[in-house]
Amino acid sequence: AQSVTQPDIHITVSEGASLELRCNYSYGATPYLFWYVQSPGQGLQLLLKYFSGDTLVQGIKGFEAEFKRSQSSFNLRKPSVHWSDAAEYFCAVGASGGSYIPTFGRGTSLIVHP
Amino acid sequence: KAGVTQTPRYLIKTRGQQVTLSCSPISGHRSVSWYQQTPGQGLQFLFEYFSETQRNKGNFPGRFSGRQFSNSRSEMNVSTLELGDSALYLCASSPRGRTDTQYFGPGTRLTVL
Repeated sequence: AQSVTQPDIHITVSEGASLELRCNYSYGATPYLFWYVQSPGQGLQLLLKYFSGDTLVQGIKGFEAEFKRSQSSFNLRKPSVHWSDAAEYFCAVGASGGSYIPTFGRGTSLIVHP
Repeated sequence: KAGVTQTPRYLIKTRGQQVTLSCSPISGHRSVSWYQQTPGQGLQFLFEYFSETQRNKGNFPGRFSGRQFSNSRSEMNVSTLELGDSALYLCASSPRGRTDTQYFGPGTRLTVL
């Protein structure tokens, strides 16, 4: 069965600083990987996804993520954080065959200081 | 296109009651999935419907059920509510027969007293 670990429950950064959110997955084959963002009181919005090909994936809102098979990781990065990026971020892994139902990590809460 | 809509947005029930939540997917989307989100358990998959058929089911008791109509709208029902059912229930729709790209609604916040 697939699983996802987001080691950091909270991350605090200053506005304008760079950001990296960690995600480690467990899956026997090549997974489908996702990053979602959830603002307070809202549903989840897909930031980016990796299915195959280039291991550096560009997403919306200036986010990118890099798939590293050797480390079973899919870390999310942004070069300069804006106050509006404060939210909950979820990494998810989906099986590359079958139903593709994603398994979500527990999330990382991003706090942005002015 | 309008996004995924869920009604109601907020709901308060008491233990033992039952509740029905509704989800209207994005126009043209035929796959609808439901998730439960709680602080303790995180995001957990409930079930997925495609063309009025339940195609996948998560590890939840039989008190949780759902259905999908011919217009792809979906409902989920929870019977005999327990305090632990208090959660944000999220619905997501997918444009194809796969759930690899999901669009989420804002959720229904259910509080069980």
